[in-house]
Amino acid sequence: GQSLEQPSEVTAVEGAIVQINCTYQTSGFYGLSWYQQHDGGAPTFLSYNGLDGLEETGRFSSFLSRSDSYGYLLLQELQMKDSASYFCAVRAPSGGYQKVTFGTGTKLQVIP
Amino acid sequence: DSGVTQTPKHLITATGQRVTLRCSPRSGDLSVYWYQQSLDQGLQFLIQYYNGEERAKGNILERFSAQQFPDLHSELNLSSLELGDSALYFCASSVGVASQGTGELFFGEGSRLTVL
Repeated sequence: GQSLEQPSEVTAVEGAIVQINCTYQTSGFYGLSWYQQHDGGAPTFLSYNGLDGLEETGRFSSFLSRSDSYGYLLLQELQMKDSASYFCAVRAPSGGYQKVTFGTGTKLQVIP
Repeated sequence: DSGVTQTPKHLITATGQRVTLRCSPRSGDLSVYWYQQSLDQGLQFLIQYYNGEERAKGNILERFSAQQFPDLHSELNLSSLELGDSALYFCASSVGVASQGTGELFFGEGSRLTVL
């Protein structure tokens, strides 16, 4: 099976940089994804790492180290609208298809 | 708008009752996933279908069942409801072929179930 760990809450100042870590255990691995969810809303896809290294998408970057079973999401130039929950998710093989297991989520609060 | 449609958006029912949640995936997506999210909790994977067939099962209770129909819409049936079943139930869809791209899931807006 799969299990993921990430901090439950993080607080950061507007304009700053914040890093949300994720460690995982999995049998089989395609890659690590990140999703954002605002209160009461649907999760939306942010980024994906299938290989080691850094992926950058605007203010957001995501990193993966497969050997360490570790990844992080880096949010730069924080804005108030970035206040949300962030989930890492392991994408793993399942009978020729994919299974996506989510972590418990990190609630990010951006303060002025 | 993700293109995934879930109905109903809200549902209030009593313990012991049965409800059906419906999901229409994004056009072209063959895979449908169901997740349960309790208050301030993560997304618990329930079950996945691909082109009408069950492909992966998570921590889905025996009281819960699901299916995907030939037109690819899916239904999640919850029976003998308990207070603890109150949650937000999300449906997501993807292309579904494991080796393709990022495996991005597109989520519907969810069905909020309240069991009284």
